[in-house]
Amino acid sequence: SQQGEEDPQALSIQEGENATMNCSYKTSINNLQWYRQNSGRGLVHLILIRSNEREKHSGRLRVTLDTSKKSSSLLITASRAADTASYFCATDIFHDMRFGAGTRLTVKP
Amino acid sequence: EAQVTQNPRYLITVTGKKLTVTCSQNMNHEYMSWYRQDPGLGLRQIYYSMNVEVTDKGDVPEGYKVSRKEKRNFPLILESPSPNQTSLYFCASSLASGDGYTFGSGTRLTVV
Repeated sequence: SQQGEEDPQALSIQEGENATMNCSYKTSINNLQWYRQNSGRGLVHLILIRSNEREKHSGRLRVTLDTSKKSSSLLITASRAADTASYFCATDIFHDMRFGAGTRLTVKP
Repeated sequence: EAQVTQNPRYLITVTGKKLTVTCSQNMNHEYMSWYRQDPGLGLRQIYYSMNVEVTDKGDVPEGYKVSRKEKRNFPLILESPSPNQTSLYFCASSLASGDGYTFGSGTRLTVV
């Protein structure tokens, strides 16, 4: 069964705008990861945030984690058309990596 | 180049005909896993392996088998495929459990 649930399911923005995606989960985790998938291709690992971390940055990506609310957010700043993809959160609980259904992001040029 | 290689990329087969999807990684990763991806359901774990000769069931193991005789290879076996196993399959590996995954390019399987 799914652990993480992304919100929104779909997001459409203009190039240059920021995109925010949220992930909620149900049980305690070791870490939470975000992945990107371009149409039918393999997933690409973006960032990992451990349960004792609150915020992490990687280039134009910013991830936050609130373990008290069991939620995480992924912010993509200054979006580009190439950011168009599906984004998944994945929660790791002792060898068990669970993925959500994803957020489909469309960035219009 | 560090990668996870799956073969084949596309496969159409008939119900009941045994098939194997191969997965190989060249990063000396200990942890390997198989997922299936279906519309609206995200990725669901089929089996995972923490090291050679150590495998365990994921969420949806029914109808699948795996083996891990060597560290680099983790084949997925469908002994008697059925149409409900039509899906997009991904193999993934990581240095250890809980680390970021490297995914293969996927195998699109159709069972008729």
